[in-house]
Amino acid sequence: NAGVTQTPKFQVLKTGQSMTLQCAQDMNHNSMYWYRQDPGMGLRLIYYSASEGTTDKGEVPNGYNVSRLNKREFSLRLESAAPSQTSVYFCASREKGRPDSGANVLTFGAGSRLTVL
Amino acid sequence: GDSVTQMEGPVTLSEEAFLTINCTYTATGYPSLFWYVQYPGEGLQLLLKATKADDKGSNKGFEATYRKETTSFHLEKGSVQVSDSAVYFCALRAAGNKLTFGGGTRVLVKP
Repeated sequence: NAGVTQTPKFQVLKTGQSMTLQCAQDMNHNSMYWYRQDPGMGLRLIYYSASEGTTDKGEVPNGYNVSRLNKREFSLRLESAAPSQTSVYFCASREKGRPDSGANVLTFGAGSRLTVL
Repeated sequence: GDSVTQMEGPVTLSEEAFLTINCTYTATGYPSLFWYVQYPGEGLQLLLKATKADDKGSNKGFEATYRKETTSFHLEKGSVQVSDSAVYFCALRAAGNKLTFGGGTRVLVKP
């Protein structure tokens, strides 16, 4: 049972380079999310997809684009990387359910550490 | 907007000590509250949750009670182990159904 799988685990880029972070979940979850984690700032939502075919901006979307390729996959793209995008990126998914139900819990991937020089 | 404030770390403890991590929140409506834990090199995992006032979430010896009057959800464990060393995040879900996280508190338990 893989859960949420992110690739790559580590990446070093030069300023201006582009790259795509891949995320796939095998739990048949409807919603998927991309967060970035920076020291002392917790996790901040970049983009999310409430269901296949939809995407919405989160708290810090600038400099990123996303694609919900199908129900399983949700990719995050940096078109022109900047040092401020050095961070650890987490993908997460959630089964659609009532807000107070046990299903309303995020399952996270192991993270992708990105360094932009 | 919604926000979560938790105590800054690191918190360094000896094994079997009592752990408290404070968490307070600001939100519209009646949020659900969560504690997530991140072990070294891993993603976040749900530790416990509470969905309404006075609910107590508990798991792995950890407890937290939803206190609406003080807008708090403090995490406690009576006797920590080295394996409890991790980063702990308080979070809430309010209107809009998106999670808002606190800044995280690193806990280091020494033998």
